[in-house]
Amino acid sequence: GAGVSQTPSNKVTEKGKYVELRCDPISGHTALYWYRQSLGQGPEFLIYFQGTGAADDSGLPNDRFFAVRPEGSVSTLKIQRTERGDSAVYLCASSLGIHNEQFFGPGTRLTVL
Amino acid sequence: DAKTTQPPSMDCAEGRAANLPCNHSTISGNEYVYWYRQIHSQGPQYIIHGLKNNETNEMASLIITEDRKSSTLILPHATLRDTAVYYCIVRVMNRDDKIIFGKGTRLHILP
Repeated sequence: GAGVSQTPSNKVTEKGKYVELRCDPISGHTALYWYRQSLGQGPEFLIYFQGTGAADDSGLPNDRFFAVRPEGSVSTLKIQRTERGDSAVYLCASSLGIHNEQFFGPGTRLTVL
Repeated sequence: DAKTTQPPSMDCAEGRAANLPCNHSTISGNEYVYWYRQIHSQGPQYIIHGLKNNETNEMASLIITEDRKSSTLILPHATLRDTAVYYCIVRVMNRDDKIIFGKGTRLHILP
């Protein structure tokens, strides 16, 4: 497809479980971002990649959160030992490079029971 | 923290111009003003950005005051599909690339 895609669109899991959220950026986009959005709030930055490396991971809330982008394209956000407070919409965005417009995917709605 | 202040909600009649204000009184000389919007159940969508001159594209116009402490996003002929949350953001183009979102303005277009 032409836009950023994210899978799954919805994920329900139990407290303590491990989850992986996937982001497919627009082809050719070197920069990739993850954000988290809680109900009624604006998106909150988590991490961004320039190529394969994490250029800024200052938004990751704790060490249960980790993200990879091994080949500089698809990225996976990994959450260990999920907690109810992790419930949110996780948004991915990509851009041609830093300083360019960010294109957002539809998000993955994570619900931790 | 977001460096902008926006009203939490606004109403606009369909077909009228929607004028969304934003205050950014602490904006630095190298920071741009960006606007994004988020339609329900979708990711944010870029609308427009500017430094100090007024800008216009197919979606909207951006009016930035001369002192750059505030701006207005104008949707010239609002339609029901423009109902969304609109985020005003200031960003430095040559440093951190992350977007710091505030709570935005929830715009309701009334039929």
